[in-house]
Amino acid sequence: DTEVTQTPKHLVMGMTNKKSLKCEQHMGHRAMYWYKQKAKKPPELMFVYSYEKLSINESVPSRFSPECPNSSLLNLHLHALQPEDSALYLCASSPRTSGTYEQYFGPGTRLTVT
Amino acid sequence: AQKVTQAQTEISVVEKEDVTLDCVYETRDTTYYLFWYKQPPSGELVFLIRRNSFDEQNEISGRYSWNFQKSTSSFNFTITASQVVDSAVYFCALSEAYNNNDMRFGAGTRLTVKP
Repeated sequence: DTEVTQTPKHLVMGMTNKKSLKCEQHMGHRAMYWYKQKAKKPPELMFVYSYEKLSINESVPSRFSPECPNSSLLNLHLHALQPEDSALYLCASSPRTSGTYEQYFGPGTRLTVT
Repeated sequence: AQKVTQAQTEISVVEKEDVTLDCVYETRDTTYYLFWYKQPPSGELVFLIRRNSFDEQNEISGRYSWNFQKSTSSFNFTITASQVVDSAVYFCALSEAYNNNDMRFGAGTRLTVKP
């Protein structure tokens, strides 16, 4: 089973709201990732978790707060977002954080900030 | 830092034509990995292939084939006898061996296959 699931599929939120994106995998992978993808652009790495510990934060604003409660789950907490944060947010996982492994992506959450 | 260039922004072909998507990369590492992903309109990135820097053998999988040439830093992707279902954005990506799988994507090539 090479499936990564993400919820919700779509999210509309105001600039003062607090919401969370959820990602789950049951492949026993120990590396999980958040990417942001704007329209007609490639995915951009936001965060990398390795064995439930944050190992890369690509200078992402603090209004995005990741959390990895266990090896299967990855959350992205959103607070006081701006309209320019509207994008497709993709979660991915891989067995380890080594380029040896391909990353498996979820279907994404399409976020609109109004 | 690594860099991937996909010079073709959009390609349009008619069904059954062969099409090649170009990918050129830059890295200072001797050990690295190259990937191709497909992103259909649904949005999910689908893994197609991984190649490491020490394996220059070309690969064929059904109608898909990949040509890896270190001498020109290229990793091109060919679809033979294209089909409408091949319409998608295709991304080439590069990951250096010891950088926490910080995979960098090219800008992508949007392929449209017309019936």
